[in-house]
Amino acid sequence: DAKTTQPNSMESNEEEPVHLPCNHSTISGTDYIHWYRQLPSQGPEYVIHGLTSNVNNRMASLAIAEDRKSSTLILHRATLRDAAVYYCIPHRQGAQKLVFGQGTRLTINP
Amino acid sequence: DAGVTQSPTHLIKTRGQQVTLRCSPKSGHDTVSWYQQALGQGPQFIFQYYEEEERQRGNFPDRFSGHQFPNYSSELNVNALLLGDSALYLCASSLVGGGTQYFGPGTRLLVL
Repeated sequence: DAKTTQPNSMESNEEEPVHLPCNHSTISGTDYIHWYRQLPSQGPEYVIHGLTSNVNNRMASLAIAEDRKSSTLILHRATLRDAAVYYCIPHRQGAQKLVFGQGTRLTINP
Repeated sequence: DAGVTQSPTHLIKTRGQQVTLRCSPKSGHDTVSWYQQALGQGPQFIFQYYEEEERQRGNFPDRFSGHQFPNYSSELNVNALLLGDSALYLCASSLVGGGTQYFGPGTRLLVL
């Protein structure tokens, strides 16, 4: 399983962009990079995933470094509802388990 | 479209007892995974079920067992409860071979 390194915590203001970094230097060539988040008192929820190219969806954007050893989750305009723990997870397509690290606890100030 | 549901939401047990937690997957999903999340930690994979069989198991003792029913719902059983089993137990469903897992709200178990 690829090891990930994320900041323990980050803080941002409402309506500002947030860039959440993740290092995954031991990622294998077939691992997708998945991001999940866990809101308070809820189970994790899928945010976005990608392999090599940058990806966008209605929730966020994912920027993947050319060497794939790091990635950044981008929330374009943070809201209070985005306060959560964000997990970066390298995941081989078809693999059974998700391997969660400690994640980054994101605080959004009004 | 109902998402993943789990029951009960909260449970209090004493050491040595046994507990059964239940999970109904998202409509159309055939695979169920179970995770344990201790306070302040990320979820840890317990095992995954597909076609009523355990496909993969994490580093958990045999006291943790599971079952999947023909309707794809699943149960997690924990025997001989220890204080350290106190945690949030999460169920996630997916399609076999699919990467995205959809999680339920969890069952919070407290062992006294």
